Amino acid sequence: RKEVEQDPGPFNVPEGATVAFNCTYSNSASQSFFWYRQDCRKEPKLLMSVYSSGNEDGRFTAQLNRASQYISLLIRDSKLSDSATYLCVVNLFNNAGNMLTFGGGTRLMVKP
Amino acid sequence: GAGVSQSPRYKVAKRGQDVALRCDPISGHVSLFWYQQALGQGPEFLTYFQNEAQLDKSGLPSDRFFAERPEGSVSTLKIQRTQQEDSAVYLCASSLAAGAGPQHFGDGTRLSIL
Repeated sequence: RKEVEQDPGPFNVPEGATVAFNCTYSNSASQSFFWYRQDCRKEPKLLMSVYSSGNEDGRFTAQLNRASQYISLLIRDSKLSDSATYLCVVNLFNNAGNMLTFGGGTRLMVKP
Repeated sequence: GAGVSQSPRYKVAKRGQDVALRCDPISGHVSLFWYQQALGQGPEFLTYFQNEAQLDKSGLPSDRFFAERPEGSVSTLKIQRTQQEDSAVYLCASSLAAGAGPQHFGDGTRLSIL
């Protein structure tokens, strides 16, 4: 079983739709959580951190449920430019440092 | 530029050749990470440096993989006797501090082994 699991998609949605991605992680000692965005043939870029209280950044809302080891990302009013792969990322800080563990990514395609 | 720079951008090698991939982190960043990303997968951790010290190399897939950061700045990932399964994008990331903090990724080196 992978440490961070995501539905690979693709999610095909029309412009303006609301779409939600989920992610589960296996290590209960994980300490911080992120969503990264990766465009085709580009590097991953931090989209937002995820907090237990939930956090919102414009059209994007992230939630963390530590009890269920579950992370979500909600995108409202989808834009064509939101088309990308969304990577769920978990940080298990240990003596060796700040290692990020990535899920396989969920591909989103927003269509006109 | 001010970001993480990796070179070459693309590398094609024949099976059995040795390759070296370079990473220039953001100036002053203490932590440096190497990740391997296979097609259609998320990045997977390879190794971590804090300054010049390699503190974690648990993700290196075999002893053919070797990484160094001798002066605590530029890092090189070397793969000896390359195999076809080494074909992937190799991403380098750096972060300012040793603890938790955002990692900034380079564009990656796309390695193809023929």
